[in-house]
Amino acid sequence: AQSVTQLGSHVSVSEGALVLLRCNYSSSVPPYLFWYVQYPNQGLQLLLKYTSAATLVKGINGFEAEFKKSETSFHLTKPSAHMSDAAEYFCAVSLGGFKTIFGAGTRLFVKA
Amino acid sequence: SQTIHQWPATLVQPVGSPLSLECTVEGTSNPNLYWYRQAAGRGLQLLFYSVGIGQISSEVPQNLSASRPQDRQFILSSKKLLLSDSGFYLCAWGPGGQETQYFGPGTRLLVL
Repeated sequence: AQSVTQLGSHVSVSEGALVLLRCNYSSSVPPYLFWYVQYPNQGLQLLLKYTSAATLVKGINGFEAEFKKSETSFHLTKPSAHMSDAAEYFCAVSLGGFKTIFGAGTRLFVKA
Repeated sequence: SQTIHQWPATLVQPVGSPLSLECTVEGTSNPNLYWYRQAAGRGLQLLFYSVGIGQISSEVPQNLSASRPQDRQFILSSKKLLLSDSGFYLCAWGPGGQETQYFGPGTRLLVL
């Protein structure tokens, strides 16, 4: 069975600092992996997705994620945090069917 | 371009009252449709998904039901709300295949 674990329910960084949000997955076959962002009282918005074309995936708003099969990880990074990055971030895994499994989410706080 | 609508945006209902939440998608045909519930700090719980008109799959036994009367319309209902039904309800659509999902703005339901 597939699953996804996000390490850290809350992450706090200073403006301009590196953002690192951790995600580990479990899957018996190569999965599709996603990162979504949710701003307060809004739906989720796709940041980026991994579909086996390239291990380093670039997304919107300067975010990127690297697929590491040996570590079963898909961590999200951004070199320099902006105040506008404060939101909740969800990692998700799918095997291409109808079910996508979402992590519990990591809330990112950005300090001025 | 595709858009997804949900209404109402906010709803306060007494325990035991009925519920009807509506979701519509524009700009695509035969989408896969999804209902999720999001409780604070608990990620997204898949409630129902549909691959076509009248085809509903339930993921969690509960007092909620879903219907898809038209290709791009998805309705979440209940005959009698429980306190535990409070939460943020998200509708999403997906084109199939890699199953990227695109979310609506959500409905916040408070059952008192």
